[in-house]
Amino acid sequence: EAAVTQSPRSKVAVTGGKVTLSCHQTNNHDYMYWYRQDTGHGLRLIHYSYVADSTEKGDIPDGYKASRPSQENFSLILELASLSQTAVYFCASSERGPDTQYFGPGTRLLVL
Amino acid sequence: QQNVQQSPESLIVPEGARTSLNCTFSDSASQYFWWYRQHSGKAPKALMSIFSNGEKEEGRFTIHLNKASLHFSLHIRDSQPSDSALYLCAVSMGNYAQGLTFGLGTRVSVFP
Repeated sequence: EAAVTQSPRSKVAVTGGKVTLSCHQTNNHDYMYWYRQDTGHGLRLIHYSYVADSTEKGDIPDGYKASRPSQENFSLILELASLSQTAVYFCASSERGPDTQYFGPGTRLLVL
Repeated sequence: QQNVQQSPESLIVPEGARTSLNCTFSDSASQYFWWYRQHSGKAPKALMSIFSNGEKEEGRFTIHLNKASLHFSLHIRDSQPSDSALYLCAVSMGNYAQGLTFGLGTRVSVFP
């Protein structure tokens, strides 16, 4: 089965601080995604990428940046963390856009 | 923007029963339809997908799609306690899919 790993698995950050979440996949997939999941909103797409060195905005990109330095790695950056960004963040990958997405284990982020 | 709604919000069923979950979407141009399952504290994992009108069966799981009604559903035959999870429906638009749009989920509890 496809392998997607995320680090850290949990993090406590202070309001206004910078947070970087990392994702690594060994599936040789072109597409990678960042979602956040929180109660009442479900899973929502933040950013995605279909090729290295290029990222696209998803449905809720405000307050987030993304970086795809290689096919295997995709990072999510919160330049100025806010309380509203407390959530579980999932990374996923797929071979092509409409294919099955394989999710990483998630990062639980608490912003205080 | 795509709006995906799921019903019911939660379901409690006895072991061996049939479970039926519903999903409606708003954009008639949607092309790909998914069900994901998420056990507590775990990552979402793809269950089944369908791309054309009709029915598809895989083991105890059956998915129905009616694009004209903007509706698809998941049916679980002979429900097991291990089926207890959050079930997420998801929709994508096409070959260069901009990620998935998820519903909020239906929480299913199967009791022995």
